[in-house]
Amino acid sequence: SQTIHQWPATLVQPVGSPLSLECTVEGTSNPNLYWYRQAAGRGLQLLFYSVGIGQISSEVPQNLSASRPQDRQFILSSKKLLLSDSGFYLCAWNQGTSNQPQHFGDGTRLSIL
Amino acid sequence: AQSVTQLGSHVSVSEGALVLLRCNYSSSVPPYLFWYVQYPNQGLQLLLKYTTGATLVKGINGFEAEFKKSETSFHLTKPSAHMSDAAEYFCAVSIATLGRLYFGRGTQLTVWP
Repeated sequence: SQTIHQWPATLVQPVGSPLSLECTVEGTSNPNLYWYRQAAGRGLQLLFYSVGIGQISSEVPQNLSASRPQDRQFILSSKKLLLSDSGFYLCAWNQGTSNQPQHFGDGTRLSIL
Repeated sequence: AQSVTQLGSHVSVSEGALVLLRCNYSSSVPPYLFWYVQYPNQGLQLLLKYTTGATLVKGINGFEAEFKKSETSFHLTKPSAHMSDAAEYFCAVSIATLGRLYFGRGTQLTVWP
C-alpha cells in the first residue's frame, strides 16, 4: 500500500532563518505531488505542484520554493523565513487523472518567532 | 473558473442529531467532487468521492453525500452524529487533467453531548 511521510512534525524557526521540509511517498511511482499551506481560518492554499522530477509549478508568488530531486521526494524550502510563513504545511500525492483523490501527509506545524 | 463554497464555517449539533454540511461548486465542465475530514493537527483524510455513476455516494464513518447537478451541490450528511465526528470538513472539486483540487474554506463541526 502507499504511504506518505512528512517531517518534521513541528518546527520553530526565527525570522530570517532557512527552511527545509521534506515529503516522501512510498508504494507508487510517478505520483503527482503537492504542497499546501493552511493558515488559521483560511482553508488550504496550494503552493506548489509537480507532475515529475524537476517539474515544479508555483501557484502563488512568495519567498518559498519547491524541488523534486527524486520521483517520490518533494522538498519545500526557503532562504529567509518571514513571520507570515507560519502555518500548517501539508504534502499530498495522487496518481494521474483528476478523478483520483489526493492523499495527505500528517503535516508540519511551522511557527516563526 | 472553478470554485467551492461551503455554507457555514461552524456547525453545531447534538449527539444523535442529523449532520448536514453544505457544499456548492461552480464549474464549466462536469466535476469530480470530494469530501475530506481533518482532525486537529493531522492531515486530511478522504471521506468520500463522486466521479461518475450513482449520485448518492457513501463514505467512511457513516457519511454520505449526494451530487445534484441542477443545484451544483454536494452536501454531506450523516443521520446520527457521534462525538468522534467533531472535526473540520472540507469539500473539494477537481476538473483539470492534472488532478488539482480546489478546496472550500472548511466547516468546523462541533458535537454536543
